[in-house]
Amino acid sequence: SAVISQKPSRDICQRGTSLTIQCQVDSQVTMMFWYRQQPGQSLTLIATANQGSEATYESGFVIDKFPISRPNLTFSTLTVSNMSPEDSSIYLCSVESGKEQYFGPGTRLTVT
Amino acid sequence: KQEVTQIPAALSVPEGENLVLNCSFTDSAIYNLQWFRQDPGKGLTSLLLIQSSQREQTSGRLNASLDKSSGRSTLYIAASQPGDSATYLCAVRGTTDSWGKLQFGAGTQVVVTP
Repeated sequence: SAVISQKPSRDICQRGTSLTIQCQVDSQVTMMFWYRQQPGQSLTLIATANQGSEATYESGFVIDKFPISRPNLTFSTLTVSNMSPEDSSIYLCSVESGKEQYFGPGTRLTVT
Repeated sequence: KQEVTQIPAALSVPEGENLVLNCSFTDSAIYNLQWFRQDPGKGLTSLLLIQSSQREQTSGRLNASLDKSSGRSTLYIAASQPGDSATYLCAVRGTTDSWGKLQFGAGTQVVVTP
């Protein structure tokens, strides 16, 4: 299993600003994943973050909008840049362990 | 493209009744299927993982079945309790999907009344 923590748990931000979300895992993992859950909708994968290489983004998501860092095997950050109200969502960090997917508690972002 | 559907979208039952939650998927080429629970404003808790070669998995009051050929999975929760109130999500990983890429259903919101 894996225990994942995220900071901040929630934030309210003004449009045009950026927010960086941190994700910490209690064990070393090769890949970390960032998901988004928009209000009333299900989860969508944003990108996969490997240590030592650039993140791989899913269709519809770009690095300029969602830059990701992966400095070591237990930590990653996701930045939501130049925010608009449409970015209001829950952002979740995830890892895979033993073929099972584990998720962090999420960061609830509201953009005004 | 894989599509995952969960029916019903919402369900309310009195305490003690058994819960039956359905999940269907359009592409049977799956690696595994996972059931999660999400409490309001919180992350996801993994409940059960079923590999494509398995027919069912059990954990306590929870039992999940998988019929890959018909593209269906069912989560049974026996003798429901108010603490079972949450949104239940199913997610599939396709055989051609990269690690960590899950296709999620929209969820079933469950309320168990005392």
